[in-house]
Amino acid sequence: KQEVTQIPAALSVPEGENLVLNCSFTDSAIYNLQWFRQDPGKGLTSLLLIQSSQREQTSGRLNASLDKSSGRSTLYIAASQPGDSATYLCAVNNQAGTALIFGKGTTLSVSS
Amino acid sequence: DAGVIQSPRHEVTEMGQEVTLRCKPISGHNSLFWYRQTMMRGLELLIYFNNNVPIDDSGMPEDRFSAKMPNASFSTLKIQPSEPRDSAVYFCASSRLTSGGLRRVYEQYFGPGTRLTVT
Repeated sequence: KQEVTQIPAALSVPEGENLVLNCSFTDSAIYNLQWFRQDPGKGLTSLLLIQSSQREQTSGRLNASLDKSSGRSTLYIAASQPGDSATYLCAVNNQAGTALIFGKGTTLSVSS
Repeated sequence: DAGVIQSPRHEVTEMGQEVTLRCKPISGHNSLFWYRQTMMRGLELLIYFNNNVPIDDSGMPEDRFSAKMPNASFSTLKIQPSEPRDSAVYFCASSRLTSGGLRRVYEQYFGPGTRLTVT
């Protein structure tokens, strides 16, 4: 059974710092891996999707990497800003078109 | 594109009452997912449909929960009778088959959620 773990559960950094959020999964036979952002009381916003054949994806200050063999993904946020404060969720699916399995998330707080 | 639409956004009801949550997926999407989010368990799948057909309902807690997708643009999740432990945020998500060269991608897009409180 696929399990997704995110470490740390919470992270506080000063503005401007570069940071890395970690995601690990137990079954390396994934199809896609998605990173989401969730603001308090809000829905999920898709940030990046990495297909199993890819090693990384970039969008602005965000870079997500994938190492299937080790069952790990990282989300790198450059030059963090207070507006980046949110919960970041990692999710995988094991087959095309199937449901996502989520980690519990990392709650990020960026102070000005 | 209006995104995934869910209604109501908030629902407060008393134990024993019937609750119906509604979802309109993004036009052209052929997969629809219902997830539930709680503090204790995080986000978990309840059920999903492909082309209006239920594929996996293993996450539906018990017979009190039922879901339907009568057409490609509408789905409901019903709880009858509701219980306090059903209090959670219920999300609907949709995706579609897209072509990325030789690779097909199923990116899921989430609605704003329905916050259900059962007293």
